[in-house]
Amino acid sequence: GAGVSQSPSNKVTEKGKDVELRCDPISGHTALYWYRQSLGQGLEFLIYFQGNSAPDKSGLPSDRFSAERTGGSVSTLTIQRTQQEDSAVYLCATKRTGPADTQYFGPGTRLTVL
Amino acid sequence: GENVEQHPSTLSVQEGDSAVIKCTYSDSASNYFPWYKQELGKGPQLIIDIRSNVGEKKDQRIAVTLNKTAKHFSLHITETQPEDSAVYFCAARPGGTGFQKLVFGTGTRLLVSP
Repeated sequence: GAGVSQSPSNKVTEKGKDVELRCDPISGHTALYWYRQSLGQGLEFLIYFQGNSAPDKSGLPSDRFSAERTGGSVSTLTIQRTQQEDSAVYLCATKRTGPADTQYFGPGTRLTVL
Repeated sequence: GENVEQHPSTLSVQEGDSAVIKCTYSDSASNYFPWYKQELGKGPQLIIDIRSNVGEKKDQRIAVTLNKTAKHFSLHITETQPEDSAVYFCAARPGGTGFQKLVFGTGTRLLVSP
């Protein structure tokens, strides 16, 4: 079946502008995660959704970052007043509920802030 | 919180050789340890995982070992092939309130030369 999809694949924006990144999960996956991958670095956890609620937002780096999820499906990560240090690849992962452990990743959105 | 360290950062081997990547973790309550392979321009893909009640797991040319006492786990790839070239990430799932997320190492770039 279809995997996790993310859009856009690439986004170039100017410092100070707002951006929205989208994640479409695998059908039936109720858990959804956002991670950030800076150049040459590992994956940094941002936020976790179970259904439409976000019980763990501990990784969001500042109040410029927010995320929502609607209908237990699509999620949007919004970055307001972008800064150059926000440049990174933003990855979304989803998994089934229950004891299933495997997180399936999307291809990511590469964000470049000029 | 959980901290995962990964070594080496780069690894070059000849085709047919074995490759070993090592990770250590800090949270003794961590109970799930996946390994992901990330090819250029793609999201990470799960290649093997191990749970804390198991010491070793194999899948064809790939094996993972876990030493809970020492809090380290390793990925072993035998008979390496050029298509094994990629960045490999280890991860740990913490215990306690952070159990729904993964904490990643910083990655190992593996280059397999023909």
